[in-house]
Amino acid sequence: QKEVEQNSGPLSVPEGAIASLNCTYSDRGSQSFFWYRQYSGKSPELIMSIYSNGDKEDGRFTAQLNKASQYVSLLIRDSQPSDSATYLCAVVGSSNTGKLIFGQGTTLQVKP
Amino acid sequence: GAGVSQSPRYKVAKRGQDVALRCDPISGHVSLFWYQQALGQGPEFLTYFQNEAQLDKSGLPSDRFFAERPEGSVSTLKIQRTQQEDSAVYLCASGLGPLGGRETQYFGPGTRLLVL
Repeated sequence: QKEVEQNSGPLSVPEGAIASLNCTYSDRGSQSFFWYRQYSGKSPELIMSIYSNGDKEDGRFTAQLNKASQYVSLLIRDSQPSDSATYLCAVVGSSNTGKLIFGQGTTLQVKP
Repeated sequence: GAGVSQSPRYKVAKRGQDVALRCDPISGHVSLFWYQQALGQGPEFLTYFQNEAQLDKSGLPSDRFFAERPEGSVSTLKIQRTQQEDSAVYLCASGLGPLGGRETQYFGPGTRLLVL
């Protein structure tokens, strides 16, 4: 079992729809969770961080964390073609050393 | 500079050749990480520096990989006797503070290494 798992997709949604991206992790002691966006050929860019159970909203983005289920998700409202990218879930494990453990990423395609 | 920079951006090496990849972190950033990203995969941790001290090198895949940050700023990742499986994008990231789970890591553009 991989430490951080994501469905590789592609996930295809129409413009204006809600895109839902999911991630599970295996280290129950993990404390910090991040969502990065990576455009093709570019480096990862942080879009959300979440540390506590529940929802965290930032503009069109909402991160959701459920530590009991070891599950973190990212919702993108009013999806735009410019949101088309690979979304990487990253976790800092229980050792809390700061090193990020990434999932393989989910490719999102937003169709006009 | 405003962000993390890496050089070269692209490197083609013949199998068996040694390569050196450079990372210039954001000025004043204490933490520096190296990650390896294979095609279609998420980045994988290689090593971590806090200032000049290499505190974690557990992700280095073999003793052909060596990293240093002698003055606590610029870092170099060296790969000796490159193999085809070393072909990947090598990402450097820096963070303002020391070890810690909530520190934001800022990624450089990466060096794309192709070993023929």
